[in-house]
Amino acid sequence: EIVLTQSPATLSLSPGDTATLSCRASQSVSSYLAWYQHIPGQAPRLLIYDASNRATGIPARFSGSGSGTDFTLTISSLEPEDFALYYCQQRFNAIAFGGGTKVEIK
Amino acid sequence: EVQLVQSGGGLVQPGGSLRLSCAASGFTFRSYWMHWVRQAPGKGLVWVARIDIDGRDTSYADSVKGRFTISRDNAKNTLYLQMNSLRAEDTAVYYCARQNWNSNNWFDPWGQGTLVTVSS
Repeated sequence: EIVLTQSPATLSLSPGDTATLSCRASQSVSSYLAWYQHIPGQAPRLLIYDASNRATGIPARFSGSGSGTDFTLTISSLEPEDFALYYCQQRFNAIAFGGGTKVEIK
Repeated sequence: EVQLVQSGGGLVQPGGSLRLSCAASGFTFRSYWMHWVRQAPGKGLVWVARIDIDGRDTSYADSVKGRFTISRDNAKNTLYLQMNSLRAEDTAVYYCARQNWNSNNWFDPWGQGTLVTVSS
């Protein structure tokens, strides 16, 4: 079983700041990793797939990087609508999600 | 617009049953694998079940195997999750999601979620 560990649990930032979120896998998942944004009460939204590809309609301020066991989601110049929960997911071996990172307004 | 609209959640007693529905629109439903994912209160997302395009192949998380059944009606563009022998630990918001081959088989889009509460 592959375990995904996200850090930090909470990120307190201001609009205009850059957010850097980490997702670490317990074993290699190659590039089979995605990032989702979840605003409570709404449907989760696919942001990044295959570690670094932006999904359709996702603004360029969202970028993903990494491969193997270490992955990063970067949100440049945070907009008010970006304050939300973010989850990583792997499908290299079964399907698993990380515990999430909350990006909150400082 | 590609959309998944969920219904069917609610309060049920332990040992009871409930069926969730997920109505698809804006795309050719019969061409996509579909999934259910849940989120217990204060917890993260957990994959629950998956079904292939014609419903012949299904897969489940160990925690629900033998109690939950995923199915689909391609004529009605609807995905289902039949939940039997419900336990308190099944309390969660349940999401349906499309496995989208346009984004290399990741989950896109998701339904809005429906709350299932198992309590006496």
